[in-house]
Amino acid sequence: EAQVTQNPRYLITVTGKKLTVTCSQNMNHEYMSWYRQDPGLGLRQIYYSMNVEVTDKGDVPEGYKVSRKEKRNFPLILESPSPNQTSLYFCASRVAGPLSDTQYFGPGTRLTVL
Amino acid sequence: AQSVTQLGSHVSVSEGALVLLRCNYSSSVPPYLFWYVQYPNQGLQLLLKYTSAATLVKGINGFEAEFKKSETSFHLTKPSAHMSDAAEYFCAVSSNDYKLSFGAGTTVTVRA
Repeated sequence: EAQVTQNPRYLITVTGKKLTVTCSQNMNHEYMSWYRQDPGLGLRQIYYSMNVEVTDKGDVPEGYKVSRKEKRNFPLILESPSPNQTSLYFCASRVAGPLSDTQYFGPGTRLTVL
Repeated sequence: AQSVTQLGSHVSVSEGALVLLRCNYSSSVPPYLFWYVQYPNQGLQLLLKYTSAATLVKGINGFEAEFKKSETSFHLTKPSAHMSDAAEYFCAVSSNDYKLSFGAGTTVTVRA
């Protein structure tokens, strides 16, 4: 089954404790992206990757890091989480083809930073 | 730069009534437009998309949307609401770097 998976689905942590949210896709997609969803703001892009070893900032990259060492994986790293990073996070992937192609989203990771 | 405005953060409809969700966009290039739905505690699922092939686009679950270039709009409709349509709906526009720019979302409540 074609899918984007994220782990963990739920995470409660404390300020300053480094964490990683994993994202994996099995569709051989070149493009992967991380979004955060906050009430009243919709989804905002954090980082994206056009292919292996190619990453770039989205609209809200502060406090986040990513890496793309393998095509299927795109982990999101919070080196020193703060309460304002409490949010719902989505990973997405798509082919690097026409702009009309669909992005596929993972199930989401709900992060709470105390 | 691309952007999306969804009019109305909450919409309440009676079961069987018309569902109308409004979306206006701005884009410096011909847009590709999408509607996604998010059911409670789930990820985003594509409802439909406009790719310039036809201005009236039909999607899943009886939804459709009409692209109106003169009005820069891509409103979503469903003739008869069902209880299962209760969800949050997002309009999005695709940009040159493959990013999706989302609207703030509209939560639909369906009254019995």
